[in-house]
Amino acid sequence: AQKITQTQPGMFVQEKEAVTLDCTYDTSDQSYGLFWYKQPSSGEMIFLIYQGSYDEQNATEGRYSLNFQKARKSANLVISASQLGDSAMYFCAMRPFSGGYNKLIFGAGTRLAVHP
Amino acid sequence: NAGVTQTPKFRVLKTGQSMTLLCAQDMNHEYMYWYRQDPGMGLRLIHYSVGEGTTAKGEVPDGYNVSRLKKQNFLLGLESAAPSQTSVYFCASSSRSYEQYFGPGTRLTVT
Repeated sequence: AQKITQTQPGMFVQEKEAVTLDCTYDTSDQSYGLFWYKQPSSGEMIFLIYQGSYDEQNATEGRYSLNFQKARKSANLVISASQLGDSAMYFCAMRPFSGGYNKLIFGAGTRLAVHP
Repeated sequence: NAGVTQTPKFRVLKTGQSMTLLCAQDMNHEYMYWYRQDPGMGLRLIHYSVGEGTTAKGEVPDGYNVSRLKKQNFLLGLESAAPSQTSVYFCASSSRSYEQYFGPGTRLTVT
């Protein structure tokens, strides 16, 4: 079965501190992609970062980095120097490369609250 | 560019009524998708399309139909709405590369 698990329903962080949002995945595919999306209270889905299963280096995009541990099947999102605007729902998603149609499987999400 | 747009943004239906949600994209993407998002859950794929004139079932297709008559449009239909279809519906599109671009969502309530 292909599945994404986000075990933290909610997280709190102080402004300017770093926070790690956990994501584990299950797939039998050898090739896959891992994504993180942000959903603010306004509701839109915003793409943050991508990691391919064969990428040797962890992906980084500005203040976002993906801590990819393939053997543990984990793809945690690290947000450095948190800002008030980072308060949102965060979804981890996986694209198994088999099937050919770019299917995304989402986790249940983690709600992040950044406190001043 | 508008990206992915969805019409309408909000809708309230009575049980048994029908409606169509419209998704349009201006990025010339081959793939288009309809998802639903329920409280406490991530997005779940309803139907998808890999090109004009083609559609396929996703994870939760029951009660929905779709059509892709034009490459830029992907329609989601509810023939007989049920309260269980109360949800937020997202459309997305992508090229053959990895990133999916999402529309702003449609909040549907079925009473």
